[in-house]
Amino acid sequence: DQQVKQNSPSLSVQEGRISILNCDYTNSMFDYFLWYKKYPAEGPTFLISISSIKDKNEDGRFTVFLNKSAKHLSLHIVPSQPGDSAVYFCAARTGGGADGLTFGKGTHLIIQP
Amino acid sequence: NAGVMQNPRHLVRRRGQEARLRCSPMKGHSHVYWYRQLPEEGLKFMVYLQKENIIDESGMPKERFSAEFPKEGPSILRIQQVVRGDSAAYFCASSPTSLLGGTNTEAFFGQGTRLTVV
Repeated sequence: DQQVKQNSPSLSVQEGRISILNCDYTNSMFDYFLWYKKYPAEGPTFLISISSIKDKNEDGRFTVFLNKSAKHLSLHIVPSQPGDSAVYFCAARTGGGADGLTFGKGTHLIIQP
Repeated sequence: NAGVMQNPRHLVRRRGQEARLRCSPMKGHSHVYWYRQLPEEGLKFMVYLQKENIIDESGMPKERFSAEFPKEGPSILRIQQVVRGDSAAYFCASSPTSLLGGTNTEAFFGQGTRLTVV
């Protein structure tokens, strides 16, 4: 039962353009969402997060949007840079219950020159 | 301030052997989480520990797997009698406080241990 879904295994975007990574979730108890970036042979690194009481959070080139009614969030990267090429994981946690994060399967973002 | 340290980075074990994976959290972090990533999959939560206590092991297989976080020393994830299906990347993460409670706390991940069972 995949509670966090990233339906695009890969995404190719031209350098300088906007990258939009999508994530859907099914568990209405999730109250906090995070995006992690992962390079090959490295651990995930935290990128940006959003609380369920907000619908947008921005940090430099990265913006996360949350649509609670649609149970959907997205990560926007603009402008995209070659160093953004990585696997991006969407993760969520509940306000109670299990303390661990629930991750999606990841989207491999490829930035083309 | 060193990050989360995991060792070894790569571990090869024959079927039936034991695997011990170590994780030293970031300085000042007393909350440790273990995750497993199977090929082509996302990270799956296994267990959450605080010093000397297992808080949540809902993601741990019922048999052969155990975890500890002693008062002194690193957290250990132990897999007994490994099988080929245990081959995966095992990631440890730490945080200064619990991830519950609405705080803006994130978990910091180590580089992982890649276990290969032959």
